Amino acid sequence: AQSVTQPDIHITVSEGASLELRCNYSYGATPYLFWYVQSPGQGLQLLLKYFSGDTLVQGIKGFEAEFKRSQSSFNLRKPSVHWSDAAEYFCAVGNFMDTGRRALTFGSGTRLQVQP
Amino acid sequence: DGGITQSPKYLFRKEGQNVTLSCEQNLNHDAMYWYRQDPGQGLRLIYYSQIVNDFQKGDIAEGYSVSREKKESFPLTVTSAQKNPTAFYLCASSTGTSGSNEQFFGPGTRLTVL
Repeated sequence: AQSVTQPDIHITVSEGASLELRCNYSYGATPYLFWYVQSPGQGLQLLLKYFSGDTLVQGIKGFEAEFKRSQSSFNLRKPSVHWSDAAEYFCAVGNFMDTGRRALTFGSGTRLQVQP
Repeated sequence: DGGITQSPKYLFRKEGQNVTLSCEQNLNHDAMYWYRQDPGQGLRLIYYSQIVNDFQKGDIAEGYSVSREKKESFPLTVTSAQKNPTAFYLCASSTGTSGSNEQFFGPGTRLTVL
């Protein structure tokens, strides 16, 4: 079965500082990986996704993520955080060739707080 | 504008009552999903539908029911059998269910049991 772990429940960074949110997945084959962002009381918006090819993917709002197969990780990064980035971030994994599952599996989320 | 709408935004229910949450999409997507979100637990899959008149149980289907009579609509009923229904419910859709398909989310419905 596939699973996703986001080790950090809550992270606080200062505005202008760099950010890295961790995501580890468990899946036998090459997964499809996603990062979503959720503002309070809202739905989820896709930041970026990885299917194959270049392991460094660029997304919206200045975010990027790097797929590292050897570490089963797909960490999200941003060089300089803005106050508007305060939200909850979810990592998700897909690819259901051998599981029969037909929906994404989400991590438990990381809440980002940005200090002025 | 294409998108997913959920209604109502807030819903209050007395214990023992069934309630139905609405989800409509005009993206012409075949697949639709219902997730439940609780603090610290991320999103958990309740039901999904790959095509009209077909749906499958997800990880936490007990106490919930769905229908998919139209491509655009995927309503979720929270029955009295659901022992702890207070949560934030999110509906999503995608073009398919291959795993590579991006899911688009609605704004959510917050259900509170009084």
